[in-house]
Amino acid sequence: EDQVTQSPEALRLQEGESSSLNCSYTVSGLRGLFWYRQDPGKGPEFLFTLYSAGEEKEKERLKATLTKKESFLHITAPKPEDSATYLCAVRDSWSYQLTFGKGTKLSVIP
Amino acid sequence: GAVVSQHPSRVICKSGTSVKIECRSLDFQATTMFWYRQFPKKSLMLMATSNEGSKATYEQGVEKDKFLINHASLTLSTLTVTSAHPEDSSFYICSARDPQGDSNQPQHFGDGTRLSIL
Repeated sequence: EDQVTQSPEALRLQEGESSSLNCSYTVSGLRGLFWYRQDPGKGPEFLFTLYSAGEEKEKERLKATLTKKESFLHITAPKPEDSATYLCAVRDSWSYQLTFGKGTKLSVIP
Repeated sequence: GAVVSQHPSRVICKSGTSVKIECRSLDFQATTMFWYRQFPKKSLMLMATSNEGSKATYEQGVEKDKFLINHASLTLSTLTVTSAHPEDSSFYICSARDPQGDSNQPQHFGDGTRLSIL
C-alpha cells in the first residue's frame, strides 16, 4: 500500500525566511511524485511532477527535489501570498490514482 | 490549460436530503474522473474512480448505495449523496484525467464542494 507522510504539519515563517517542507513516501514502482498547492476552500493547484531520484524542478520561489525515499519543497524568501497548504502525492505503476499526504500548512507573516 | 468545473461550491441542507454534485471537464474529454473527500487537517481520501460508460469503482469502506456516482458522458460525472446525515458533512473534490493531455499532470482538480448537513 502506498504511503505518503508530510512534515511539519504546520509551518510559520517570517517573510523572507527560507525553509523546506518534507514528503516521505513508500510506493511500489513510482510513476511520479506530485506537489500541489491548496488554498482554503479550493481544490489542489498543480505545482510540480518529479519522476526520478536526483530530479529538481523550480518555479519562482519554489524548488522541488526528489530522492528514493523523500521529496523536499524548498521555499526561498517566501512572501505572504505563498501562504497555503502544500500537498504531496504519489502515483504508482498500477493506476492513475494518487495517494496524498496530509499536507503542510504554511503561513508567511509580513 | 485543462479546466474542471465543480458545482455547487457550497451546499447547506437538512438531514435526509439527497444532494447531487456535478463535475465537468470544460475543454477536454475525461475518460476517467475521481471523487475525493477531505476532512480538516486530513489528506484527500479517494472515494471512487469513475469511468465513462461503466460502473464506478469504490474504495474500501465507501458505501456505494450512499454515494452514487454516474459518469454518463465524457465531460460530466455526478456524485449524489443519498439521504445525507450530519456525518456526511465534508469537502468533496473531483478530478479528471485528460488522456490527450500533459502526462506530467495526471489529474486536473475542481474547486470542491463544501457540504453541510444540518
